[in-house]
Amino acid sequence: AQSVSQHNHHVILSEAASLELGCNYSYGGTVNLFWYVQYPGQHLQLLLKYFSGDPLVKGIKGFEAEFIKSKFSFNLRKPSVQWSDTAEYFCAVNAENYGQNFVFGPGTRLSVLP
Amino acid sequence: ETGVTQTPRHLVMGMTNKKSLKCEQHLGHNAMYWYKQSAKKPLELMFVYSLEERVENNSVPSRFSPECPNSSHLFLHLHTLQPEDSALYLCASSQESVSGSSYNEQFFGPGTRLTVL
Repeated sequence: AQSVSQHNHHVILSEAASLELGCNYSYGGTVNLFWYVQYPGQHLQLLLKYFSGDPLVKGIKGFEAEFIKSKFSFNLRKPSVQWSDTAEYFCAVNAENYGQNFVFGPGTRLSVLP
Repeated sequence: ETGVTQTPRHLVMGMTNKKSLKCEQHLGHNAMYWYKQSAKKPLELMFVYSLEERVENNSVPSRFSPECPNSSHLFLHLHTLQPEDSALYLCASSQESVSGSSYNEQFFGPGTRLTVL
């Protein structure tokens, strides 16, 4: 079965610090990978996705993620965070041949101090 | 209305009540999902409907009963719930590929905050 792990439960950064949130999945086949963000009181919304092609994916609001197949990882990065990036971040995997079964990681809460 | 809407936004019910959660998607998608989001736990996929047919049922107790009358509407009927069922219930939709082997990103509704007393 698929599983997704996220390395950190809660990350606290100051504004302008660089961010990297880890995500690892367990599935050896072809995967579609996603990062979602949930701002306080708001819907889950897509930050970025990887289906194929360039393993470095750029998303909204200056976020990017790199798919490293050999490490089963899809880490999220941002060079300089802002207070408005305070939110919960979820990594998700949909493995082809697992149908509609999207598996989400437990989430990482990011707190950015002004 | 655009995107995915859910009603009610908040629901408090006793263990003997029967209630229903409603989800509507205005995106023309062909797959819809129910998730449970509890504190400190990953999002749990409960049910998936693709082209109005249920294709996933992840060992959800029978006190939760989904219904998908058409591709735009999804219901979750609740009956004799337990306090541990208190959570945020999220609906999502996506567009399934023609081959059915891969799925585009999911669009989420705001959720229904359910409290079972």
